[in-house]
Amino acid sequence: GESVGLHLPTLSVQEGDNSIINCAYSNSASDYFIWYKQESGKGPQFIIDIRSNMDKRQGQRVTVLLNKTVKHLSLQIAATQPGDSAVYFCAENSQTGTASKLTFGTGTRLQVTL
Amino acid sequence: DAGVIQSPRHEVTEMGQEVTLRCKPISGHNSLFWYRQTMMRGLELLIYFNNNVPIDDSGMPEDRFSAKMPNASFSTLKIQPSEPRDSAVYFCASSYQLAGGRETQYFGPGTRLLVL
Repeated sequence: GESVGLHLPTLSVQEGDNSIINCAYSNSASDYFIWYKQESGKGPQFIIDIRSNMDKRQGQRVTVLLNKTVKHLSLQIAATQPGDSAVYFCAENSQTGTASKLTFGTGTRLQVTL
Repeated sequence: DAGVIQSPRHEVTEMGQEVTLRCKPISGHNSLFWYRQTMMRGLELLIYFNNNVPIDDSGMPEDRFSAKMPNASFSTLKIQPSEPRDSAVYFCASSYQLAGGRETQYFGPGTRLLVL
């Protein structure tokens, strides 16, 4: 029979343009958020993180914005390159006693066109 | 640092067989996580350990799945008996967590499992 999988939203961006990937999180008590990049055939790779006491954090070519009021997270990639093509996941942290775990979103596929 | 090491990278087996996946976390890390990734369900947390102790196994699908962490540098995820619906990519991740901490998890390359 035909399989039905997750429908990953896809963002197509021209090389050199800026990319913005959005994520809504569910737990208002989450206090730490991470963006991961997953290339085909590889494990998720850490890109950038942000704590809930911040609303913006910048890395090399990447910026994460956090809006706790509407529980929204975004990842901005400047001057997008072909090597940025991947699936991007946001993850929120929750605590269990002294240990913590991440809950991942469904992901967004970024396609960079030449 | 070698990063998180997983073996095997690929496994093809027949329904009913036992499958053992292995993980070596990053040296010095005290938390280890097992995830499963499928097209149907995305990335799911199966179980995680802190200081070699299982903290939350609520994501383990059923009794056919078991995980152990006999020491700080090794963990196994076992499926017995395996079924075709277990076919997925299984990731191991590790982190160093302080009390109340929010430390980044680092993922291994994954084991691609196919159960025929």
